[in-house]
Amino acid sequence: GENVEQHPSTLSVQEGDSAVIKCTYSDSASNYFPWYKQELGKRPQLIIDIRSNVGEKKDQRIAVTLNKTAKHFSLHITETQPEDSAVYFCAASYGTGNQFYFGTGTSLTVIP
Amino acid sequence: NAGVTQTPKFRILKIGQSMTLQCTQDMNHNYMYWYRQDPGMGLKLIYYSVGAGITDKGEVPNGYNVSRSTTEDFPLRLELAAPSQTSVYFCASNYGMNTEAFFGQGTRLTVV
Repeated sequence: GENVEQHPSTLSVQEGDSAVIKCTYSDSASNYFPWYKQELGKRPQLIIDIRSNVGEKKDQRIAVTLNKTAKHFSLHITETQPEDSAVYFCAASYGTGNQFYFGTGTSLTVIP
Repeated sequence: NAGVTQTPKFRILKIGQSMTLQCTQDMNHNYMYWYRQDPGMGLKLIYYSVGAGITDKGEVPNGYNVSRSTTEDFPLRLELAAPSQTSVYFCASNYGMNTEAFFGQGTRLTVV
């Protein structure tokens, strides 16, 4: 099966700075890479996703890059705000069942 | 649309008891999933289904069973509960390959 590794596990940034979270995956057959944000006690919610035929995607302050050759993808958040504080999970979609395999999460704290 | 609905939200079980976690979605999604979330461990796939009548094991299926008799419902059955099954359980669904997965609000289960 797929193995997704995520770094760092915790990240603290000053408000207005950028945050970068990195993930690697093991199976070259994976072709869809979503990022989820989970606030304390809440359900995970999609913030951005990228498909394997695209190298980069941006949505306002959030961007994701994908390097298929190296099998890694990254989340970039610019101009961070306190409401960006949450746990972020990367995932890779793999297999005929469209299974999602998740990284272990990054706890982001934005310091006002 | 209610989206993905899970019941109950909280439950305490004694060792050896059994229970069923309910999950229903009203979005006519083909794919459904059960995940468990342990602190610092991300989300681990328990079982998934690609459509009514079809289920398959994920990463951590031992101690669980599922069924998918309708498109809408995907219950997760715990037989002979063990302390290791203490976790937060999330049900999720999506329409097709490489599309956003929507999560239920989660069930916090404690086995004592």
